[in-house]
Amino acid sequence: EAGVAQSPRYKIIEKRQSVAFWCNPISGHATLYWYQQILGQGPKLLIQFQNNGVVDDSQLPKDRFSAERLKGVDSTLKIQPAKLEDSAVYLCASSFWGGRELFFGEGSRLTVL
Amino acid sequence: AQSVTQLDSQVPVFEEAPVELRCNYSSSVSVYLFWYVQYPNQGLQLLLKYLSGSTLVESINGFEAEFNKSQTSFHLRKPSVHISDTAEYFCAVNSDSSASKIIFGSGTRLSIRP
Repeated sequence: EAGVAQSPRYKIIEKRQSVAFWCNPISGHATLYWYQQILGQGPKLLIQFQNNGVVDDSQLPKDRFSAERLKGVDSTLKIQPAKLEDSAVYLCASSFWGGRELFFGEGSRLTVL
Repeated sequence: AQSVTQLDSQVPVFEEAPVELRCNYSSSVSVYLFWYVQYPNQGLQLLLKYLSGSTLVESINGFEAEFNKSQTSFHLRKPSVHISDTAEYFCAVNSDSSASKIIFGSGTRLSIRP
C-alpha cells in the first residue's frame, strides 16, 4: 500500500517569495492534516480537512498561508509571502474517518533566506 | 484544553542500557495516548498507542509504555537499547472532546552511544 506522498522534499526561497507544497494521502483516508514542525519543536497542526471541508484551521496564519483539498483527495499548502520564521518542515498526514492513528509523509523542508 | 509535556529534550544512553522517556499530559476528559518515532530525514511513524483496556502497551521492537491516570503520565521504556533506536520520540494526546485533534509534545532526542 502506498504511503502519504509529499513534494518537494526540499525548497529554498528568499523572504517575500511564495512556495507551494503538495500532498497525496493514503487512498481511502478521508482526513488530511498539515503540520508545521520547527527545528527543536513538536509538530503543530496548521489545518485539518475532512474530505474537502475544513475542520480546524485555528492555527493557520491566514494572512499568508492557504490550503485547499481538491475533490477530497490531494491537497496543496501555499505560503505567500514567506517570512524567515516560516523555515520548517511541513508534514502532511492522513487518517481514516474518525481514526486516531495518523500516517505521515516524509515532509517538505522549507528554508527561507 | 489538552497539552503534552516531554520533560527531557535529549536523552543520551549507552547501547544495551535501559531507557525511559517521560511524557505527562493534561486533559479534562478521557484521553488516547500515542508515541511516534521520527528517524533522521523521515516522517513520523506510530510506535505504540493506548486507546483503552490494558494500561501497558508494547511495540514490536521492544518498547513499552504504561498509561498512569493518577499521575497523568505515559512514559516510554525499553530495557535494552540498540544503535538503531537513535531517533526523536514524540508523545501525543487525543481526547474524546475532539475526535481527531492530536496534540504533540516537543519531542525527546534519544542518542545511543556504543
